Amino acid sequence: QLQLQESGPGLVKPSETLSLTCTVSGYSISSSSYHWAWIRQPPGKGLEWIGSIYHSGSTYYNPSLKSRVTISVDTSKDQFSLRLTSVTAADTAVYYCAHDYGGNLPDYWGQGTLVTVSS
Amino acid sequence: DIQMTQSPSSLSASVGDRVTITCRTSQDIGSELGWYQQKPGKAPKRLIYAAFSLQSGVPSRFSGSGSGTEFTLTISSLQPEDFATYYCLHHKNYPTWTFGQGTKVEIK
Repeated sequence: QLQLQESGPGLVKPSETLSLTCTVSGYSISSSSYHWAWIRQPPGKGLEWIGSIYHSGSTYYNPSLKSRVTISVDTSKDQFSLRLTSVTAADTAVYYCAHDYGGNLPDYWGQGTLVTVSS
Repeated sequence: DIQMTQSPSSLSASVGDRVTITCRTSQDIGSELGWYQQKPGKAPKRLIYAAFSLQSGVPSRFSGSGSGTEFTLTISSLQPEDFATYYCLHHKNYPTWTFGQGTKVEIK
């Protein structure tokens, strides 16, 4: 059974870089023909797609975040990662990693991890 | 960019009520839309894909309809476990995804 688990600091200072990792278990990232994604949700607000990556390393980003986002993949560890630079309080959110299993929609989700941007 | 407008943002309903949530897009997206349910503190769960196909294991009181620019999620008889927030999501420009703003279904 494919499972996703986010990890990383829960507190980041303004202007610094947010870094999260999603560890995939029960499946090999390199086996998937579909994309691995990051999605976030500010407290009490809606969902926002951040970006996606294919096991080859091809990436796609939300235009509103593109200048600050980097998503990378490490197939040897079955992990993919998110870096968001120059964070502000507006980046405070629960960050989810997700995977679509062929339906072009997210099928599998991590439990989410809250990242707070505060000094 | 294809804009998505979901309505209403919230609604109050009673157990047994029929509930309808709508998503409209600024361009024709065919049937490339899904519906998700999210409960507090949990990740979203997919209910509907391809606009009207019911995800395996989802109760048949949930249904989706529409194509092109207007889509509807209907709960035919609201149950206590259905009080949650619902989101539409289109994938016309896959692998990019755009979510609707969400609809919170509350107990009346």
